[in-house]
Amino acid sequence: DARVTQTPRHKVTEMGQEVTMRCQPILGHNTVFWYRQTMMQGLELLAYFRNRAPLDDSGMPKDRFSAEMPDATLATLKIQPSEPRDSAVYFCASTESGARSYEQYFGPGTRLTVT
Amino acid sequence: RKEVEQDPGPFNVPEGATVAFNCTYSNSASQSFFWYRQDCRKEPKLLMSVYSSGNEDGRFTAQLNRASQYISLLIRDSKLSDSATYLCVGSSGYSTLTFGKGTMLLVSP
Repeated sequence: DARVTQTPRHKVTEMGQEVTMRCQPILGHNTVFWYRQTMMQGLELLAYFRNRAPLDDSGMPKDRFSAEMPDATLATLKIQPSEPRDSAVYFCASTESGARSYEQYFGPGTRLTVT
Repeated sequence: RKEVEQDPGPFNVPEGATVAFNCTYSNSASQSFFWYRQDCRKEPKLLMSVYSSGNEDGRFTAQLNRASQYISLLIRDSKLSDSATYLCVGSSGYSTLTFGKGTMLLVSP
C-alpha cells in the first residue's frame, strides 16, 4: 500500500530556530505539493513541484520559507527563522500528473508548534 | 473572499439521518470539483468527484450546478463512521486544488 511519508510527525521549537520538514512522495508520482493547514485559513497551497522543478511557490513567504526537491524521492520544506505564526500542520501530497491528477495523496502531516 | 466557501458546521445528526452540505465557488474558470474527507488529526483523502450529471457512490451523492456555482454532497443513512470534516475542492485543471475550509459532520448514536 503506497503512501506519502513525512518526518517529523511532530516538532516543537523556539522562535528563531530553523525547521526542516521532509516528505517522500509515492514512488512514480512526479508532482509534489506542500500545504499548510490552520483553523483560521484552512488548507493553503504553499508550493509545488513537477519532475522536481518548482512550478509555483507564490503561496510561500519568501523571506523565511524555502522548498526543494533534491531528488525524486525527497522534498523538503524549511523555515528559517521560525515564528509563532508558523505553527500549523504542514502536509505534503503527491500525484501522478496527467492521470487523474486531481487525486492527491496526502502524507500524515508534520504538526509544528513554534513557541 | 475565499474561492471555495463552505458552512463550517458542525452538523449534528443522528444515525440513519440524511444530511446535505453545499459549497459555493467564485472562480468560474474552475473545471473540476471534488469532495475530500478529513478525519480528526488525519490527512485529507479523496471521497468522490463531482459531475454536472451527478455522481453517486453508495450512500453518497455529489452534484454540481455550474449556473449557480455550487456543489452539493448528500449522505443518506448516516453512520457513526461518517463523522469527519468534508472539504469541498475545486481545480482549474492544472493539477492544483483549491480547498474550502470544510464542513464538520458529527453523527451521534
